[in-house]
Amino acid sequence: AQSVTQPDIHITVSEGASLELRCNYSYGATPYLFWYVQSPGQGLQLLLKYFSGDTLVQGIKGFEAEFKRSQSSFNLRKPSVHWSDAAEYFCAVGGYQKVTFGTGTKLQVIP
Amino acid sequence: DVKVTQSSRYLVKRTGEKVFLECVQDMDHENMFWYRQDPGLGLRLIYFSYDVKMKEKGDIPEGYSVSREKKERFSLILESASTNQTSMYLCASRTDRTGDYIQPQHFGDGTRLSIL
Repeated sequence: AQSVTQPDIHITVSEGASLELRCNYSYGATPYLFWYVQSPGQGLQLLLKYFSGDTLVQGIKGFEAEFKRSQSSFNLRKPSVHWSDAAEYFCAVGGYQKVTFGTGTKLQVIP
Repeated sequence: DVKVTQSSRYLVKRTGEKVFLECVQDMDHENMFWYRQDPGLGLRLIYFSYDVKMKEKGDIPEGYSVSREKKERFSLILESASTNQTSMYLCASRTDRTGDYIQPQHFGDGTRLSIL
């Protein structure tokens, strides 16, 4: 069965600092991987996706993620966090029929 | 841009009522999904639909049903609402596979449902 683990429930970073959100997955074949962001009171917005090819993928809002097959990981990174990045972030893995979401990581940004 | 519209942002209903949550997408997507979102549990799939009049159970279908009579509309039905169905409900849509890639889902803003 496919699964996603986001080990950090809550992360606090200072504005301007770098960010890395962790995601580990379990999937039987080559995974399709996604990162979504959810601002308060809103739905999920796609940040980036990985299907194949270059293992470092660029997304919107200055985010990137690196697929590491040997570690079953797809960590999200940003070199310099802005106050507007405060939100909840979800990693997801899946294929054609079903996508499984992680439990999310809430990001707090302090001035 | 894809627009997924959920009919209500907030809804308050009573135990035992039949509740309808509506979702409409404007991009002719084949696939539509209903999730519920609870703190610490992430998103859990309730039902999904590949096409009109087709539906598949997700991970937590008990107490719910769905209807898809038209391609753009996917309704979630709580047959007899209970307090443990108080939650945030998210609808999503996705086009079928194009080329070799699976397309991501596009989400509505959610309906926060309270059952009293």
